[in-house]
Amino acid sequence: NAGVTQTPKFRILKIGQSMTLQCTQDMNHNYMYWYRQDPGMGLKLIYYSVGAGITDKGEVPNGYNVSRSTTEDFPLRLELAAPSQTSVYFCASSPTGGNYGYTFGSGTRLTVV
Amino acid sequence: AQTVTQSQPEMSVQEAETVTLSCTYDTSESDYYLFWYKQPPSRQMILVIRQEAYKQQNATENRFSVNFQKAAKSFSLKISDSQLGDAAMYFCAYRGGDNTDKLIFGTGTRLQVFP
Repeated sequence: NAGVTQTPKFRILKIGQSMTLQCTQDMNHNYMYWYRQDPGMGLKLIYYSVGAGITDKGEVPNGYNVSRSTTEDFPLRLELAAPSQTSVYFCASSPTGGNYGYTFGSGTRLTVV
Repeated sequence: AQTVTQSQPEMSVQEAETVTLSCTYDTSESDYYLFWYKQPPSRQMILVIRQEAYKQQNATENRFSVNFQKAAKSFSLKISDSQLGDAAMYFCAYRGGDNTDKLIFGTGTRLQVFP
């Protein structure tokens, strides 16, 4: 049982490049989330999804896009990377919307130079 | 909007001793959930303990327990018999009572454990 799998674990991007952070879960969870973690700032919600075909913005969505074509996958797209997007990104999932907490992936450390 | 505050950026404890991490939150809801997550150097987010606001009894998981004071909007984590493996970042999180609510995290407390 893999849980929530994120790839890649580390990535360095140049300013203006684009990339997709992959997230896959094998628990048949309807709810999926993307957070970013900056030092001293805790985790901030970027986007979330309550099921296939449904996505919505979180607290810090600017510069990002998501899609949810299947229950399992919830990729996060960065267009025109900027230094402000240097962060650790976490994908998470939940079967019931989070009243029992989320299952997190192991994170992606992204550096934009 | 709900907020979660962790006022202790860093804490330290000696092995086998007890340490308490503080968390306060602001909400107008009566039904909600509170969590403590542990993030070791591996970066993995691990759920430590969960509390339902309508339950007066404080949650306990082995050496981890909480002091939930609903009126004071306080949710502290007590770690007893601290071990070297407890060294990590600890995040307090709040989730409202509606299924559309998301986890809101505090800024974290870094716990160091000394032998």
